[in-house]
Amino acid sequence: SQELEQSPQSLIVQEGKNLTINCTSSKTLYGLYWYKQKYGEGLIFLMMLQKGGEEKSHEKITAKLDEKKQQSSLHITASQPSHAGIYLCGADGGTSGSRLTFGEGTQLTVNP
Amino acid sequence: NAGVMQNPRHLVRRRGQEARLRCSPMKGHSHVYWYRQLPEEGLKFMVYLQKENIIDESGMPKERFSAEFPKEGPSILRIQQVVRGDSAAYFCASSADRGLGYGYTFGSGTRLTVV
Repeated sequence: SQELEQSPQSLIVQEGKNLTINCTSSKTLYGLYWYKQKYGEGLIFLMMLQKGGEEKSHEKITAKLDEKKQQSSLHITASQPSHAGIYLCGADGGTSGSRLTFGEGTQLTVNP
Repeated sequence: NAGVMQNPRHLVRRRGQEARLRCSPMKGHSHVYWYRQLPEEGLKFMVYLQKENIIDESGMPKERFSAEFPKEGPSILRIQQVVRGDSAAYFCASSADRGLGYGYTFGSGTRLTVV
């Protein structure tokens, strides 16, 4: 089965600083999803990447999938307290009937 | 267009009771996935269902846990004879197909507390 490793496990940054969260897979990634979860709440979809080298941005968050499709990074520019939460990467097997496997998550704290 | 609806949001059960968690997928979605999140841990896959069929239950505990997704009505995750270790947040997701693009939509979860 596919395993995803996220780093760092937790991150504390000062408001305004940039940060990067990494997600590494044991197998080729066919679909890589980034979600955000606030404590005690559900998952909010951020972005989905499929192609090697693909990069997507939404507001101040950018996600990339490397050419070999085994690693993805999530970059936040000029972080704000509203960015705080748990960031989860998920991957599916690329075939009909597969399901999402998640990394353990990265807990982000942004201090004002 | 309502998203994935889970109820109840919070559920308290005494040890030995049964817990029933419901999930109504997004309109037009016929694939349902259940995940469990233990305190301070990530999401662990439990079961994947399509209408009237269990496709993958590799993450389901062998005993006390069952899931169904009937032709009509919501998907149900059922936990019999609950124990303290079952206390967790249970999330449901749905997709129209295998999740292409924006396909996996998550509900807000049911937080089960076993006392």
